[in-house]
Amino acid sequence: NAGVTQTPKFQVLKTGQSMTLQCAQDMNHEYMSWYRQDPGMGLRLIHYSVGAGITDQGEVPNGYNVSRSTTEDFPLRLLSAAPSQTSVYFCASSPNRNQPQHFGDGTRLSIL
Amino acid sequence: AQSVSQHNHHVILSEAASLELGCNYSYGGTVNLFWYVQYPGQHLQLLLKYFSGDPLVKGIKGFEAEFIKSKFSFNLRKPSVQWSDTAEYFCAVKDAGNMLTFGGGTRLMVKP
Repeated sequence: NAGVTQTPKFQVLKTGQSMTLQCAQDMNHEYMSWYRQDPGMGLRLIHYSVGAGITDQGEVPNGYNVSRSTTEDFPLRLLSAAPSQTSVYFCASSPNRNQPQHFGDGTRLSIL
Repeated sequence: AQSVSQHNHHVILSEAASLELGCNYSYGGTVNLFWYVQYPGQHLQLLLKYFSGDPLVKGIKGFEAEFIKSKFSFNLRKPSVQWSDTAEYFCAVKDAGNMLTFGGGTRLMVKP
């Protein structure tokens, strides 16, 4: 049972490049979410999904897109990377919106 | 919008000292409350949660937290900390909506 798997673990991008952060869970969880973690600011919610085909914006959605075509996968896309998006990104899932979330190991993203 | 405040950003204790980390939130309705811990280089793990019932909840590794509704607080406590408790601690609050809001985190360093 792998839990929540994030790839890649590390990535360096140039300003303006695009990339997709992958997130997959094998627990049949309906609720999935993406957070960014910055020093002193805790975790801030970027986007979330309450089920396949349904996504919604969190606290800091600008510059990011998501899709949820399957229950298992919830990729996060940066269309045109900016230095302000340098952060550690965590994906999380839970059986529903009220249950505790299970977190992936994170993706450390640096944008030059 | 919901806000969560953790007033202590950094705490340094000696082993065997008692710990109390503050957490206050702004939402006045029914909430689900969580404390997560992030050990160095690792992802977030659930310490404990409160949904309803006894306002004093016990979690893993000897941690407990008390929900005081009148004070909008959910403080984390441990009677005697160990060096292995060195980590960052996050309070999180789930209101009636779909979003989980995190506090800014408290970095705890326990000196051996």
